[in-house]
Amino acid sequence: EVQLLESGGGWVQPGGSLRLSCAASGFTFSSYAMNWVRQAPGKGLEWVSAFTGSGGNTYYADSVKGRFTISRDNSKNTLYLQMNSLRAEDTAVYYCAKALSLAAQDAFDIWGQGTMVTVSS
Amino acid sequence: DIQMTQSPSTLSASVGDRVTITCRASQSISSWLAWYQQKPGEAPKLLIYKASSLESGVPSRFSGSGSGTEFTLTISSLQPDDFATYYCQQYNSWWTFGQGTKVEIK
Repeated sequence: EVQLLESGGGWVQPGGSLRLSCAASGFTFSSYAMNWVRQAPGKGLEWVSAFTGSGGNTYYADSVKGRFTISRDNSKNTLYLQMNSLRAEDTAVYYCAKALSLAAQDAFDIWGQGTMVTVSS
Repeated sequence: DIQMTQSPSTLSASVGDRVTITCRASQSISSWLAWYQQKPGEAPKLLIYKASSLESGVPSRFSGSGSGTEFTLTISSLQPDDFATYYCQQYNSWWTFGQGTKVEIK
């Protein structure tokens, strides 16, 4: 069964850091682009970051650029999101999502269950 | 940046109704558009990709159409399981979601 399982969420004070992980199973992880998408409480979906292509191209939303870093370890079938300098507006459920291909231009066909990040003093 | 605008924001309908949701892009995105369904407390689910391609396992009452800047998601006969929030997403240039359309029981 194709599955994504996020972990690493929790409560952190403003200015703090967290690292999210997304463990993949049931498919050839290295053959697909991977993404992080977040959803603030009661709000819509916001794309956060992507890791695409065989060369490892990375992309970030303006709202997180310079603070978040996406990475992947294909040997461990795991995607990561290092989140630094966290702000209250980063509070959200963070989803890991698999793309339909390795290309940058593709939709997201498999999603994890999400992990909650709360930034508050 | 490409902006995506969905209408309506909320839609009240009954079981058996034909439902149409519209998504407009701020510039042409060819057919690089997807539709997702999300129920409370759950992750989004891919319904349609490349504007009109039905994802495997998705009921055929769901269909998508459009190209360029205007797109539609149609549910031909609304079922009880279809009451949810629907999002469009462009992936022509990076990735942007619409604000969502909540389909509620009339």
